[in-house]
Amino acid sequence: GAGVSQSPSNKVTEKGKDVELRCDPISGHTALYWYRQSLGQGLEFLIYFQGNSAPDKSGLPSDRFSAERTGGSVSTLTIQRTQQEDSAVYLCASSLGRTGLYGYTFGSGTRLTVV
Amino acid sequence: GESVGLHLPTLSVQEGDNSIINCAYSNSASDYFIWYKQESGKGPQFIIDIRSNMDKRQGQRVTVLLNKTVKHLSLQIAATQPGDSAVYFCAENMAAGGFKTIFGAGTRLFVKA
Repeated sequence: GAGVSQSPSNKVTEKGKDVELRCDPISGHTALYWYRQSLGQGLEFLIYFQGNSAPDKSGLPSDRFSAERTGGSVSTLTIQRTQQEDSAVYLCASSLGRTGLYGYTFGSGTRLTVV
Repeated sequence: GESVGLHLPTLSVQEGDNSIINCAYSNSASDYFIWYKQESGKGPQFIIDIRSNMDKRQGQRVTVLLNKTVKHLSLQIAATQPGDSAVYFCAENMAAGGFKTIFGAGTRLFVKA
């Protein structure tokens, strides 16, 4: 597609439920990142996929968070047993190549609210 | 996780004035730097980049300056407009792909009409 697409754009869930957030990167982009952004704050790195290499999961805050990328394209971020502190905007970005040369293209994010 | 930025610093400027947003980067091995602009409700957008073999690069109304000696980047916006109001992030990486992109803490620019 023309840009990075994330769905849903908004998600309200009850505490303790599982949620899945989806990211469709730009076709042909081999690098894909997930970031979390709390209200009025900066970007918190979560996970990084690069081609067929093992993902860099060093930013995942707990074992309730997991992500996968199927076929080197679509990625899903799963949060199990959601907590109120998980409420944030989850941003996905992709780039051509592993370095982000010429920059990453970000999606508009999924705003997750845990009630 | 790696967290960049709590309680973003804010820069307030008068419309028409020039703005300078500063960023200190962390890795001396970084050789590729990018500035992003994030408007409310949107993801960050690429503004301008610079490689370490340059110390200045100009775009349309924006200039990025790089000082490798002190690991410092700045973004200058000329004749700031209300539409420039946003959060600005710097990012660092290696063109050869040594590590994941690291984002700076972000600065909120507020333009007063």
